[in-house]
Amino acid sequence: AQSVAQPEDQVNVAEGNPLTVKCTYSVSGNPYLFWYVQYPNRGLQFLLKYITGDNLVKGSYGFEAEFNKSQTSFHLKKPSALVSDSALYFCAVRSSGSNYQLIWGAGTKLIIKP
Amino acid sequence: SQTIHQWPATLVQPVGSPLSLECTVEGTSNPNLYWYRQAAGRGLQLLFYSVGIGQISSEVPQNLSASRPQDRQFILSSKKLLLSDSGFYLCAWSPLQGSLATNEKLFFGSGTQLSVL
Repeated sequence: AQSVAQPEDQVNVAEGNPLTVKCTYSVSGNPYLFWYVQYPNRGLQFLLKYITGDNLVKGSYGFEAEFNKSQTSFHLKKPSALVSDSALYFCAVRSSGSNYQLIWGAGTKLIIKP
Repeated sequence: SQTIHQWPATLVQPVGSPLSLECTVEGTSNPNLYWYRQAAGRGLQLLFYSVGIGQISSEVPQNLSASRPQDRQFILSSKKLLLSDSGFYLCAWSPLQGSLATNEKLFFGSGTQLSVL
């Protein structure tokens, strides 16, 4: 069965420090991987995606993610965190052989402290 | 540019009352449309998706139904709300044309917070 795991419910980082939000996946075919961010009481916004090619993907707001096929991971990273990065982050995956549906992680709450 | 409108932003309804949430997309044609529910600010549950007018796929058996009367209009309904229907409902769209993989990006509405009392 296809699945996505975000092992941390919450991540706390001091402003200016690097941040990592973890995501691992399980799919039967080639994975298409996505990160979305949700600010309080709002819809989700697309951050970045990996379809094929370079394993390091750059996205919006200075975020990047690294696809690691051997570890089946797609961790979200940022070199220097901002207080405004505080939000709920979702990882999602779809396999190349499936239909329109994305499989979503449970979300990780990122808190950046000044 | 494309925009998605979802309303109302908040709704308080008594148990047993009907529900109608509306979502419209502008600036694109023949989009894939989705209804998601998010419980307690966490994981997303896909409720319905539609690839065309009158074509609705249901992912979770429940008290809700969806309809797509027009190309860019998606409606979530219930005849009688239950307490368990409370949650944050999100409408989303994705482009249909081109590769499904490269156009997988979802665009979300701002959501409706539904409280059933």
